[in-house]
Amino acid sequence: QITLRESGPTLVKPTQTLTLTCTFSGFSLSTSGVAVGWIRQPPGKALEWLALIYWNDDKRYSPSLKGRLTITEDTSKDQVVLTVTNVDPVDTGTYYCAHMDSRVNTGYFDYWGQGTLVTVSS
Amino acid sequence: DIVMTQSPLSLPVTPGEPASISCRSSESLLNSNGDSYLDWYLHKPGQSPQLLIYLGSHRASGVPDRFSGSGSGTDFTLKISRVEAEDVGVYYCLQVLQTPFTFGPGTKVDIK
Repeated sequence: QITLRESGPTLVKPTQTLTLTCTFSGFSLSTSGVAVGWIRQPPGKALEWLALIYWNDDKRYSPSLKGRLTITEDTSKDQVVLTVTNVDPVDTGTYYCAHMDSRVNTGYFDYWGQGTLVTVSS
Repeated sequence: DIVMTQSPLSLPVTPGEPASISCRSSESLLNSNGDSYLDWYLHKPGQSPQLLIYLGSHRASGVPDRFSGSGSGTDFTLKISRVEAEDVGVYYCLQVLQTPFTFGPGTKVDIK
């Protein structure tokens, strides 16, 4: 059974660095075709894809966040960490991590965490 | 980046009646094997998004057969044959052909 759970601060001050952790179980990020992604939803707005890390450590980022994102994996802990530097109130929202099946000729987020609400405010 | 659009953005529905949502991409989502890399998700209030359809027309495991996806290239449609009260929420299309992955703006479905 695949599960994912996001954790991190609920309140962050502007200009600080936000660090979010996705702890997962039921799969290995070393398995070919597996990826873990981060998606966020600002209040009242649409879902926005942020970053993805593949089983082979290939990493992809949303260019709209202008180099402020870093995604890493801690294989010993079955965790994926997303850092967002220099946060702004517009970074307020619910952050989700999700398991992606990215085998050849497919691609979809089939398991999602429950999400964690982050507020950026002084 | 591939831009995704959806219509309508708001869809009041009557239980038992059909419903349809359109999604369009700024570039073709076809890959070399003829599949379109387009997913549909439903985001119910207070829940995490859930996968409904992948590769344009493949229903995800556990998704009721009243949901169907169609289309190819740049034009896609999600249909609900008979809407049930539990189907309310925001429906998103997502292109996964290339990063950055991009979501549509969402279609809010609620009961009339």
